[in-house]
Amino acid sequence: SQQGEEDPQALSIQEGENATMNCSYKTSINNLQWYRQNSGRGLVHLILIRSNEREKHSGRLRVTLDTSKKSSSLLITASRAADTASYFCATDQGAQKLVFGQGTRLTINP
Amino acid sequence: KAGVTQTPRYLIKTRGQQVTLSCSPISGHRSVSWYQQTPGQGLQFLFEYFSETQRNKGNFPGRFSGRQFSNSRSEMNVSTLELGDSALYLCASSLEVAGFNEQFFGPGTRLTVL
Repeated sequence: SQQGEEDPQALSIQEGENATMNCSYKTSINNLQWYRQNSGRGLVHLILIRSNEREKHSGRLRVTLDTSKKSSSLLITASRAADTASYFCATDQGAQKLVFGQGTRLTINP
Repeated sequence: KAGVTQTPRYLIKTRGQQVTLSCSPISGHRSVSWYQQTPGQGLQFLFEYFSETQRNKGNFPGRFSGRQFSNSRSEMNVSTLELGDSALYLCASSLEVAGFNEQFFGPGTRLTVL
């Protein structure tokens, strides 16, 4: 069973707009990670935020973490067609075990 | 540096058969994890190996097993296949630096059980 809940399940926006995805989890974590998956392929690691961090940036990505609410958000700014993919949050349970959310399917329309 | 490789990429089996999937981690990575991805259950952790030892196991029946070799390559085996075992099986390797757990995923093996 999944620990995380992602919201929304699907998101469709126009190219150039910003996309925001949210993730909630249930137990305490070491860190939270976001991954991208293109159409049934392997996952690509995007960004990791540690439990003692509140915000992190990487290029056009901005991740926030609120451990008191057990939630995280991923913001992709100035979206591009190549950003079309599914995005997953994953909580680090320790011992190399990641627990994934159900994912948000993002579609960028040209 | 070569990424994580998985073989085969696609596999079709029938119910009752068994299957072995292979994963070669990134050179120098000693931790290998396996995940099952299905439309209904999403991504679920199967197990993790480090230095040929299974350190962590998910909530799957005993039909799912794995092993790791001295060169860190890993195999997973599923016996007595069921229709519900149809899934994308993903392998990930990690360098396992203390406090950091970035996992690098392979392209997956798509298993179809008929």
